[in-house]
Amino acid sequence: DGGITQSPKYLFRKEGQNVTLSCEQNLNHDAMYWYRQDPGQGLRLIYYSQIVNDFQKGDIAEGYSVSREKKESFPLTVTSAQKNPTAFYLCASSIGPINIGEAFFGQGTRLTVV
Amino acid sequence: GEDVEQSLFLSVREGDSSVINCTYTDSSSTYLYWYKQEPGAGLQLLTYIFSNMDMKQDQRLTVLLNKKDKHLSLRIADTQTGDSAIYFCAGVTGANNLFFGTGTRLTVIP
Repeated sequence: DGGITQSPKYLFRKEGQNVTLSCEQNLNHDAMYWYRQDPGQGLRLIYYSQIVNDFQKGDIAEGYSVSREKKESFPLTVTSAQKNPTAFYLCASSIGPINIGEAFFGQGTRLTVV
Repeated sequence: GEDVEQSLFLSVREGDSSVINCTYTDSSSTYLYWYKQEPGAGLQLLTYIFSNMDMKQDQRLTVLLNKKDKHLSLRIADTQTGDSAIYFCAGVTGANNLFFGTGTRLTVIP
């Protein structure tokens, strides 16, 4: 079955540590996205990638980094520079530019800093 | 930047209609979308409307678009307990990314 998979579902991190969230898709989609979700704030775009080996900052990229070495994978690293990392993180992909198609979302990773 | 407003909460009784509203500032989006998020899960596309349409109906869902007032609404007829979720309206930025509303948490009371 085709889909987009995020792992792990729950992640705990100590303050000062970097942590990497995984996102894999087997839909053969060119574009991939990372969003952060906080209660009452909707989804905010962290980074996006329209094609392999290229990515762009979204609205709240500070304290995060990404890579897009393979079409199927778009991992997100939450660095110790991110001041308030506890949140629900959602990865999405689309076949091409959003205005001509829907975005498919993973099930999310809930990150808690302890 | 884009600003999209939604009411945070809505409660309805099972069998009634639900109307979820959305107002936005950027009217350049070619499509406008409604996404549904069930607890602890990702988002699922429910329906969308092309910006030159006023209304779209899809089974129990009716989308109304008032471009003049920059107002989008989603009506769910005969609301069921399985409809309890968070509903997001969304549009597309000039950079071909989705921008989302704050989300409306719909609670269906049996």
